[in-house]
Amino acid sequence: AQRVTQPEKLLSVFKGAPVELKCNYSYSGSPELFWYVQYSRQRLQLLLRHISRESIKGFTADLNKGETSFHLKKPFAQEEDSAMYYCALRSYNTDKLIFGTGTRLQVFP
Amino acid sequence: DAGVIQSPRHEVTEMGQEVTLRCKPISGHDYLFWYRQTMMRGLELLIYFNNNVPIDDSGMPEDRFSAKMPNASFSTLKIQPSEPRDSAVYFCASSSRGAQGAKNIQYFGAGTRLSVL
Repeated sequence: AQRVTQPEKLLSVFKGAPVELKCNYSYSGSPELFWYVQYSRQRLQLLLRHISRESIKGFTADLNKGETSFHLKKPFAQEEDSAMYYCALRSYNTDKLIFGTGTRLQVFP
Repeated sequence: DAGVIQSPRHEVTEMGQEVTLRCKPISGHDYLFWYRQTMMRGLELLIYFNNNVPIDDSGMPEDRFSAKMPNASFSTLKIQPSEPRDSAVYFCASSSRGAQGAKNIQYFGAGTRLSVL
């Protein structure tokens, strides 16, 4: 079965510290992977997707097929990064997204 | 485009009442998705449509839930009768296919926060 696991419900760091939000998936084929972010009182929005291989707001994520992971990283966290982050998977034969349970990132000043 | 529009933004109702949530997808998008967000389970897909036709409703919790898409610009999610455990934020999202059928990203609405007392 397809599944996305985000083991941390809450991650708290101080401003300027490195951040890594973990995401592991189970899927037998080649998935598409995404990170969505939800800032306070705002709608869910795409942060980045693995096929783009780009950095958005300083965040990067690399698909590691061997470890079935797609961890989100940022070298220096900012207070405005505080939000809920969701990892999601989409398989080749469907249009639906399967989300993890989310990780709340808190960045303290 | 104003993006995906959901109404109402907040709904408070009593157990046993019928609740109808509404969604207007982005113009030109032919895929529409309904999700439910709870603290315990995160974001779960309930159902999605393509060209107004339901494609996958395996996430619909039970017969109390129903969804329709009468045309390309409108969808409803109905709960009848509602129960306290239905309290959650319900999101609608839409997307389209790009060149050569490439899947595009999903755009989300602001959500409807439902409280069933």
